[in-house]
Amino acid sequence: IAGITQAPTSQILAAGRRMTLRCTQDMRHNAMYWYRQDLGLGLRLIHYSNTAGTTGKGEVPDGYSVSRANTDDFPLTLASAVPSQTSVYFCASSEVSGGAYEQYFGPGTRLTVT
Amino acid sequence: GQNIDQPTEMTATEGAIVQINCTYQTSGFNGLFWYQQHAGEAPTFLSYNVLDGLEEKGRFSSFLSRSKGYSYLLLKELQMKDSASYLCAVKDSNYQLIWGAGTKLIIKP
Repeated sequence: IAGITQAPTSQILAAGRRMTLRCTQDMRHNAMYWYRQDLGLGLRLIHYSNTAGTTGKGEVPDGYSVSRANTDDFPLTLASAVPSQTSVYFCASSEVSGGAYEQYFGPGTRLTVT
Repeated sequence: GQNIDQPTEMTATEGAIVQINCTYQTSGFNGLFWYQQHAGEAPTFLSYNVLDGLEEKGRFSSFLSRSKGYSYLLLKELQMKDSASYLCAVKDSNYQLIWGAGTKLIIKP
């Protein structure tokens, strides 16, 4: 089934630990995105990639890093988790970043940092 | 700064019509999107407006006025399954989406 998958579905992580959230899409979309969603706030962009091999910083990039080695995969790494990174993380993709192309979202990863 | 405003919560009755408003102030404008998000699920695309006017899609319509920085999502013949959050998002001058906090719509029988 075409779409975006994320792993893990949920995770409880001790502060200070390193964690990689995985995201894979099979739609051959050029652009991919990582968002976090917190209660009462809109989705906030962490990092994005307009095409394989390139990445950019979004609104809240501190404490996170990404890589885009190929079209399909866009992992998000928390180098040293802190409690303020407790959130629901959504990966999304779109055919290209511009124009009318909507973003398709993965099911999300619920992360709790203790 | 960039800002998207929408009501936090609205309540409506099954079978009725509801209008969810969104106002925005962004650096540049490259279109406005509406998404639906059921509790515990991912957002899904509903509509896109880039020119002024009304776009109709079945029971859902979306309106845009660029001069007023204003949009609304109109939902007709409400069904219980329409209970969800509705997210307004504007694509800015960098082609990134700026998101509102969402409007939680509660449908009562």
